[in-house]
Amino acid sequence: DAKTTQPPSMDCAEGRAANLPCNHSTISGNEYVYWYRQIHSQGPQYIIHGLKNNETNEMASLIITEDRKSSTLILPHATLRDTAVYYCIVRGNGGSQGNLIFGKGTKLSVKP
Amino acid sequence: NAGVMQNPRHLVRRRGQEARLRCSPMKGHSHVYWYRQLPEEGLKFMVYLQKENIIDESGMPKERFSAEFPKEGPSILRIQQVVRGDSAAYFCASSRTGGRSYEQYFGPGTRLTVT
Repeated sequence: DAKTTQPPSMDCAEGRAANLPCNHSTISGNEYVYWYRQIHSQGPQYIIHGLKNNETNEMASLIITEDRKSSTLILPHATLRDTAVYYCIVRGNGGSQGNLIFGKGTKLSVKP
Repeated sequence: NAGVMQNPRHLVRRRGQEARLRCSPMKGHSHVYWYRQLPEEGLKFMVYLQKENIIDESGMPKERFSAEFPKEGPSILRIQQVVRGDSAAYFCASSRTGGRSYEQYFGPGTRLTVT
């Protein structure tokens, strides 16, 4: 599975858009980009995933560059409850096909 | 539609005892994954199971740990002769099917404390 690089922390003002970047320069053609978040002490929460095209759901938007070497998760109107660690995960066709490899993620702090 | 359920939420065991952690996947999900999160660390994959089959146990410690997902009932993660280093949060996730295009949904976790 490709390695991902995320900034360790970011701040965002409440009500503003939070843009969380992720680099995955070694991603291969059949690997998906997944985003999860973990709010303190809770189980990780699935946010969104994509392969090539930009994706949007009720939680967020995922923008993947044309060369697929990086992506950005966008929370359009961040709230205090969005404070969490956000994980960008590239999931490929390794032997198990199953496991998610969590890195250190980005700790997003939404401030009033 | 109930989410992934785990019980107990908190479990205290003395060194040398056994710990049994249970996970009921979401309705319609036949794939279960166990992860462990040590204090102040990230989540680490342990094992991936389908009904009655272990698909990948590459993240499981070689000794004292075992997992099953029987035809009926929840998935069980069993830790024999627990030690203090086993104290952690254990999360279970489930997916509708396997493969890289299906998202995993996580339960609330079981916090194991070994005294």
